[in-house]
Amino acid sequence: SQTIHQWPATLVQPVGSPLSLECTVEGTSNPNLYWYRQAAGRGLQLLFYSVGIGQISSEVPQNLSASRPQDRQFILSSKKLLLSDSGFYLCATGPGGSYNEQFFGPGTRLTVL
Amino acid sequence: SQQGEEDPQALSIQEGENATMNCSYKTSINNLQWYRQNSGRGLVHLILIRSNEREKHSGRLRVTLDTSKKSSSLLITASRAADTASYFCATSYGKLTFGQGTILTVHP
Repeated sequence: SQTIHQWPATLVQPVGSPLSLECTVEGTSNPNLYWYRQAAGRGLQLLFYSVGIGQISSEVPQNLSASRPQDRQFILSSKKLLLSDSGFYLCATGPGGSYNEQFFGPGTRLTVL
Repeated sequence: SQQGEEDPQALSIQEGENATMNCSYKTSINNLQWYRQNSGRGLVHLILIRSNEREKHSGRLRVTLDTSKKSSSLLITASRAADTASYFCATSYGKLTFGQGTILTVHP
């Protein structure tokens, strides 16, 4: 079975500082990888998805970027954080094609002050 | 815009009662999925129902899908305090689009 690791679990950062959140996946090969953001009490917003190394698709224009340097590693970054970047960031993986279920990591709680 | 809209936004029941949550969507789907999220945790997949299916069961969960009305419902029978969580529907058509969720509280 696959396992998704995310770190850090929680993060408090000042406005204007950089960001790097990491997601790694075990137990699967060549997965589709996803980054979601969840605002408090809200549903999930898809930020980025990747079907392979170096292949990133952005769903919404924003202050964030994503990279996939290895098959099972997905990184979410920002050069300068905004207050509106606060939220719960979830990494997810799914088999080729997004028709099937997705498996989620434990999430990173980001607070920008 | 969000595809799935859950109703109600919050539901509070006693242990042993049934809980019903509804989801409406706007466009075509390949399948519809339900997820559960405990507070501060990641989402856990519960059940997937394909667009050509009308009903599906998994343990105490029963999901129905009415594509003519573009709606789905999740029924949890004989609820337990451990069922307390947020429940999300997600529609799949090229990608997954999540609704805003229903917060379920089951009182012991």
